[in-house]
Amino acid sequence: EAGVTQFPSHSVIEKGQTVTLRCDPISGHDNLYWYRRVMGKEIKFLLHFVKESKQDESGMPNNRFLAERTGGTYSTLKVQPAELEDSGVYFCASSPARDRLSYNEQFFGPGTRLTVL
Amino acid sequence: GQNIDQPTEMTATEGAIVQINCTYQTSGFNGLFWYQQHAGEAPTFLSYNVLDGLEEKGRFSSFLSRSKGYSYLLLKELQMKDSASYLCAVRNYGQNFVFGPGTRLSVLP
Repeated sequence: EAGVTQFPSHSVIEKGQTVTLRCDPISGHDNLYWYRRVMGKEIKFLLHFVKESKQDESGMPNNRFLAERTGGTYSTLKVQPAELEDSGVYFCASSPARDRLSYNEQFFGPGTRLTVL
Repeated sequence: GQNIDQPTEMTATEGAIVQINCTYQTSGFNGLFWYQQHAGEAPTFLSYNVLDGLEEKGRFSSFLSRSKGYSYLLLKELQMKDSASYLCAVRNYGQNFVFGPGTRLSVLP
């Protein structure tokens, strides 16, 4: 079974440009999460989709960030316009619909390393 | 507020036992997870505790005390491939994770 995949693995852009990150969750997983890790800090939650609906977007830093999950499959995270402080590693994770018999752990992708110059 | 603390770095010798501690203060608690992350790779699930006590899984064990806001990950018979970052994460009621800063473990020959 394929794991969570993210594209691109690296992105280098200039301040003011737009970047779109993509996440493909494990097939059949209803829950999709975005996290990011900025330099020297812990991984922080950005938002949570259940299927195509935003369940929790309390971690989104500002309105320059837009996440979508049309059709409830893959998700995109767009940063427009990018700022220097947006540099970091953006992780996507997915989990199946809640199941009382399992841990409901999240399966993480390898991340997209974003560098804003 | 939410806060999770872990030691930043630890070093141990191949074949030894190491304990990585995690203390947490979070607004909600719905389980504590440990993940392993090798550089440039995805964090991978190691263990889960929701009730107090010890959970054992091969060379890895994890302990939880909810009243103390404390957990540890115990790694036995250390191998060189165990050199990685170990992330403590608390799941809150909204299902998302609050992560600690991670502990970078170096296993020396």
